Amino acid sequence: EAGVAQSPRYKIIEKRQSVAFWCNPISGHATLYWYQQILGQGPKLLIQFQNNGVVDDSQLPKDRFSAERLKGVDSTLKIQPAKLEDSAVYLCASSPGQASGLETQYFGPGTRLLVL
Amino acid sequence: RKEVEQDPGPFNVPEGATVAFNCTYSNSASQSFFWYRQDCRKEPKLLMSVYSSGNEDGRFTAQLNRASQYISLLIRDSKLSDSATYLCVVKGGSYIPTFGRGTSLIVHP
Repeated sequence: EAGVAQSPRYKIIEKRQSVAFWCNPISGHATLYWYQQILGQGPKLLIQFQNNGVVDDSQLPKDRFSAERLKGVDSTLKIQPAKLEDSAVYLCASSPGQASGLETQYFGPGTRLLVL
Repeated sequence: RKEVEQDPGPFNVPEGATVAFNCTYSNSASQSFFWYRQDCRKEPKLLMSVYSSGNEDGRFTAQLNRASQYISLLIRDSKLSDSATYLCVVKGGSYIPTFGRGTSLIVHP
C-alpha cells in the first residue's frame, strides 16, 4: 500500500516569496492533517480536514497561510508571503476517518522549507 | 501551561537499561492518547496507543493516569536502535491531536 506522498521534499525561498506544498494521502483516507514542525519542537497542527471540510484550523496563520482539499483527496498548503520564522518541516498525515479517537495517523516524509 | 508537556531530555542510558518518560496534559476532557517515535530527519510513526487499563508491546509499556493527567512510556532492556525522539500525542474534543515537543533518548553501548 502506497504511503502519504508529499512534494517537493526541499524548498529554499527568500522572504516575501510564495510557496506551495502538495500532499496525496493514503487511498481511501478521509482525514488529512497539515503540521508545521520547527527544529527541536513537536509537530504543530495547522489544519485538519475531514473529506473536503475543515475540522480545525485554529492554529493556521490565516493572514499568510491557506490550505485546500477541493475533491476530498489531495491537498495543497500555501504560504504567501513567507517569513523567516516559517522555516520548518511541513508534514502531511492522513487517517482513515472512522470518527474514532484511536485512529493512527500516517505521516508523509515532509517538505523542508528554508526561508532566507 | 502548555496543553501537552514533555521533558525534552536528552535521556542518555546504556544498553540494557530501563528508562521511563512522562507526558502531562492540561485538558481533563482529553479522550485519546498515543506515543509516536520520530527518528532524526524522519517522519513520526506510531509506537503505541495508550489505553485506560495500560498496555504492553514487547519491551514497551504505556500507562494512563487520568487523575493526575499524565501518560507514561516505559522501555525495558534498551537497544541502540531505540535511540530516537518519543512524542506524546493527546486528542481532545473532535479528536483534534496535540503533540508534545518530544523526549530525546540516546542509548549508548
